[in-house]
Amino acid sequence: QVQLQESGPGLLKPSETLSLACSVSGGSASSSNYYWGWVRQSPGRGLEWVGSVYYNGDTQYNPSLKSRVTVSITTSKNQFSLKLSSVTAADTAVYYCARHGGAVDFDSWGRGTLVSVSS
Amino acid sequence: QSALTQPASVSGSPGQSITISCAGTTSDVGTYNLVSWYQHHPGKAPKLIIFEVTKRPSGVSSRFSGSKSGNSASLTISGLQAEDEATYYCCSYAGLVPFAVFGGGTQLTVL
Repeated sequence: QVQLQESGPGLLKPSETLSLACSVSGGSASSSNYYWGWVRQSPGRGLEWVGSVYYNGDTQYNPSLKSRVTVSITTSKNQFSLKLSSVTAADTAVYYCARHGGAVDFDSWGRGTLVSVSS
Repeated sequence: QSALTQPASVSGSPGQSITISCAGTTSDVGTYNLVSWYQHHPGKAPKLIIFEVTKRPSGVSSRFSGSKSGNSASLTISGLQAEDEATYYCCSYAGLVPFAVFGGGTQLTVL
């Protein structure tokens, strides 16, 4: 059973860059069967897909965030990462890392990590 | 505004059945049989309960079922139980751009 675990700072100031990592255990980030992605939930709002990376480094991003988002993968460490630049209070959210196959079958999720943006 | 439209809330009594709708467009739900549904309890990770419109992952109760007609998908929960009280989200593939779109979520209350 694959397990995912997010890590990274929980508090940022406006204009800083959010950096999160997701460690994969019980499975391989080198698998060609899955994408590895990030989904966030802002306070009082629904889920929002942020972006995803394939084992070979191919990426897909939410168009509304594309100019600020980078998702990358390090198969040798069995982990993938999220960077979101120029954050504002609107980027305050719980960020989940997740595995997905079949395009949008997000079948394994991390527990989520709260990232707050405040001056 | 979310790309997929769901009702904000639904409710039902134990033992009853409820259906949650997920309205999309010809760019997502209407074109691809790639709709998934998630159950989300507060403070926990979302759980995949339906994928590819109608399929259930191993271990998910047969009380959960999915369907699609035109540009809309639906999730039906039969034999409601107290533990079903949660927020439910639909998600659809929408082509290479924007790839994945979620609905705004539906809060299910079991009366």
